[in-house]
Amino acid sequence: DADVTQTPRNRITKTGKRIMLECSQTKGHDRMYWYRQDPGLGLRLIYYSFDVKDINKGEISDGYSVSRQAQAKFSLSLESAIPNQTALYFCATSDRRGGNLNEQFFGPGTRLTVL
Amino acid sequence: DQQVKQNSPSLSVQEGRISILNCDYTNSMFDYFLWYKKYPAEGPTFLISISSIKDKNEDGRFTVFLNKSAKHLSLHIVPSQPGDSAVYFCAASATGNQFYFGTGTSLTVIP
Repeated sequence: DADVTQTPRNRITKTGKRIMLECSQTKGHDRMYWYRQDPGLGLRLIYYSFDVKDINKGEISDGYSVSRQAQAKFSLSLESAIPNQTALYFCATSDRRGGNLNEQFFGPGTRLTVL
Repeated sequence: DQQVKQNSPSLSVQEGRISILNCDYTNSMFDYFLWYKKYPAEGPTFLISISSIKDKNEDGRFTVFLNKSAKHLSLHIVPSQPGDSAVYFCAASATGNQFYFGTGTSLTVIP
């Protein structure tokens, strides 16, 4: 079983709809992240969380919100989706106690299309 | 503004030869650098890292070089294998908290 899972894997929605992307991990890591990947722009950090009570904005948080429901779960919401939020979204985890402190483990991605 | 740049979108190399992927950064506060590899339909996977106190780190066929004065790092793959064909991202961090990724270089290793 995958250590970091994302649901759904693909989603097509319309402008103005509310969308939630979910991420779960079985690695026991304390840190979780949401990124988006766009062609020509690489991966950009949206939000990150170091524990259940800690939420931090990344480079491009406008238009997004997150919820850390438990150590293992981190969801990303688009309150009112717009077409320029069409992208590939990745969840990642890391463990501050790990030997390679900065290594992140990524989920398989969610491809979101906003029409 | 992009703080981490990979100026070569693609690279083709013959099997057995060396692949050199380059990355430049602008923030002198970055002190930790990582390379990730990404296959289609999968998330990136960690490959190798280097801290700013070193100028070289080696792991098997993969070596990362850091030139702090030039704000440049490179990933060398020797010898290159067809299974190395993937997109490679470099990433940098100043605090270990927030990471900035480059735009990626698509490597094709020709058998």
